[in-house]
Amino acid sequence: NAGVTQTPKFRILKIGQSMTLQCAQDMNHNYMYWYRQDPGMGLKLIYYSVGAGITDKGEVPNGYNVSRSTTEDFPLRLELAAPSQTSVYFCASGLAGAREQYFGPGTRLTVT
Amino acid sequence: TQLLEQSPQFLSIQEGENLTVYCNSSSVFSSLQWYRQEPGEGPVLLVTVVTGGEVKKLKRLTFQFGDARKDSSLHITAAQPGDTGLYLCAGGILTGGGNKLTFGTGTQLKVEL
Repeated sequence: NAGVTQTPKFRILKIGQSMTLQCAQDMNHNYMYWYRQDPGMGLKLIYYSVGAGITDKGEVPNGYNVSRSTTEDFPLRLELAAPSQTSVYFCASGLAGAREQYFGPGTRLTVT
Repeated sequence: TQLLEQSPQFLSIQEGENLTVYCNSSSVFSSLQWYRQEPGEGPVLLVTVVTGGEVKKLKRLTFQFGDARKDSSLHITAAQPGDTGLYLCAGGILTGGGNKLTFGTGTQLKVEL
């Protein structure tokens, strides 16, 4: 099993551009999460999904959108990128009812 | 908003020393997790504690959950260079949306020869 995979690993965007961060898991996990990690700030939850077709906002959802058309994939869309979205983005997944979350390797995004 | 504060923020020690990292909150959590993160990688789960006062050991690492389930500590005995990394605590609340985690700000540990 590959676990949780994320692409791209690095990306530089200009202000106002859009992009999609890809996340996939092959563990048949129901729950998937998107976090951002800023220096000295820990990880903050952006969006989460409890299954295909169901998504909900986390702590910091503004400026982002998600969709979940399959159990495996949970892409994160950035519209009109802003410098405040410069961060490292992590996708995670977990089984329903379980406390454990499994993280991908992250995408480092810079908006200039 | 639930907050988790970790201390110290940075720790640089010599191989063989002992250390303790603290994770404190004013909120009650149903569980507390500790993760370790290396540069360029995602956090990796070390342990989950769920009962107030619970103590778990993982080789040289000892984790404790506070009696009131608001705080936790991580103690490393005889630290080794391989222990170097960012240690994150995360308080969890189980909801219909899964285990909602609130992460601490992290403790960057460097163990030198």
